[in-house]
Amino acid sequence: GAGVSQSPRYKVAKRGQDVALRCDPISGHVSLFWYQQALGQGPEFLTYFQNEAQLDKSGLPSDRFFAERPEGSVSTLKIQRTQQEDSAVYLCASSFARAYEQYFGPGTRLTVT
Amino acid sequence: QQQVKQSPQSLIVQKGGISIINCAYENTAFDYFPWYQQFPGKGPALLIAIRPDVSEKKEGRFTISFNKSAKQFSLHIMDSQPGDSATYFCAPNGSGGGADGLTFGKGTHLIIQP
Repeated sequence: GAGVSQSPRYKVAKRGQDVALRCDPISGHVSLFWYQQALGQGPEFLTYFQNEAQLDKSGLPSDRFFAERPEGSVSTLKIQRTQQEDSAVYLCASSFARAYEQYFGPGTRLTVT
Repeated sequence: QQQVKQSPQSLIVQKGGISIINCAYENTAFDYFPWYQQFPGKGPALLIAIRPDVSEKKEGRFTISFNKSAKQFSLHIMDSQPGDSATYFCAPNGSGGGADGLTFGKGTHLIIQP
């Protein structure tokens, strides 16, 4: 079956622009996660959804970062007024339910110039 | 506070050799100890995981050894192959891997020389 997909795969934004990154989880997966992976580092947790409810957003680095999952399937991570330090790979992961393995998408590489 | 310390940062092993990567953690509430493998341009993928009720788990060429008292676990790759060249992350957590955001180590860049 299809895995987690993310789009776009690459995004270049000028500093100050807003961007929206999309995640399509595996069908039927209840849990959805966003991570940020800086170059040469491990992924860092940003936020977690269970269905449409955002249960944990403790990892979002600033109020410029916003995530939504309005119908409990597709999720969008939005970054407003992008800064150079936002340059990273943004990974989405989904899992069937609590205590099940997280499956990761290929990521979106964001470069802010 | 760094919850997860992974070592070494990079590792070069000859084909057919044994690759060993270590992970130390601080949170005694962790009850799930996975290793993830990541290839360039791809997301991490679960390689092997262990729960604290056993001290070792083997799947093919991959083995996890777990030392609860030392709060450490390690990944052993036997008969290492060039296709194993990747970045490996430990990501211990306390929810079985599914409900909480994972805390990843900084990663080990493994190169298997043919």
